[in-house]
Amino acid sequence: DGGITQSPKYLFRKEGQNVTLSCEQNLNHDAMYWYRQDPGQGLRLIYYSQIVNDFQKGDIAEGYSVSREKKESFPLTVTSAQKNPTAFYLCASSAQTGDTEAFFGQGTRLTVV
Amino acid sequence: GQNIDQPTEMTATEGAIVQINCTYQTSGFNGLFWYQQHAGEAPTFLSYNVLDGLEEKGRFSSFLSRSKGYSYLLLKELQMKDSASYLCAVARLGGGYNKLIFGAGTRLAVHP
Repeated sequence: DGGITQSPKYLFRKEGQNVTLSCEQNLNHDAMYWYRQDPGQGLRLIYYSQIVNDFQKGDIAEGYSVSREKKESFPLTVTSAQKNPTAFYLCASSAQTGDTEAFFGQGTRLTVV
Repeated sequence: GQNIDQPTEMTATEGAIVQINCTYQTSGFNGLFWYQQHAGEAPTFLSYNVLDGLEEKGRFSSFLSRSKGYSYLLLKELQMKDSASYLCAVARLGGGYNKLIFGAGTRLAVHP
C-alpha cells in the first residue's frame, strides 16, 4: 500500500543527545515537510523540501537539521541545540504542484529526559 | 509573513450544524486546506479551496473568500466522532517554493 511511514512511534532520549527521526514515503511525492506539535497547539513548520538535495527552513528550524538524499526519504535530526525538544513530530508529503493535499505519517512522540 | 486565526474551542450538540471560521493574511496565496485531527493521531485531509465559493463533500462543506482572507468549515448532522481538532492550513507560494502553514486549530466537542 502507498503511504508515508514514520518511525519510531515513541522515542526517549537523554538531554544533550542528538536523535534522528525517520520519514519514508512511497507516494512518489516531490514535496516533504516536518512539523512539530506541542500539546493543545497547532502544527509549526520546521523544514520542508520540494526536490531531492534541496530543502528550506520553516518557521522554527533552529536546533534541527534535515537531509534529502533520496526522493522517498526526509530524516529529521533533533540536535542538542534544540532547547525544548519534547514534542510530537509529524512528517508529511504532497505533490509538487501544491494544490493537492498533504498526507501525514502517524507521528513520532519524542520525550527528552 | 503569514497569520492564520481560528477560534480555540467550540462546542455543539449531536445532530446540529457547526461553522468553524478561519481568517488568514498571507502573500502568495495558493489555496486553503482543512484537516481533521483526533487526539494523538495524524491530521487527515477534509477539503481544499483555491477559488472563491463553496465546496461540498458529504456532511462537510468549506467556503473561501480570497478578497476577505476568510474561510469556514461547515459540519452538518454532527456525530460524536466529529469531536476533534480542525486545522486550517494555507499554501503559500514564494521564491518557487510552496509552504504549507497551519493555524493553531479549533477543538470541537460534540455533546449528546
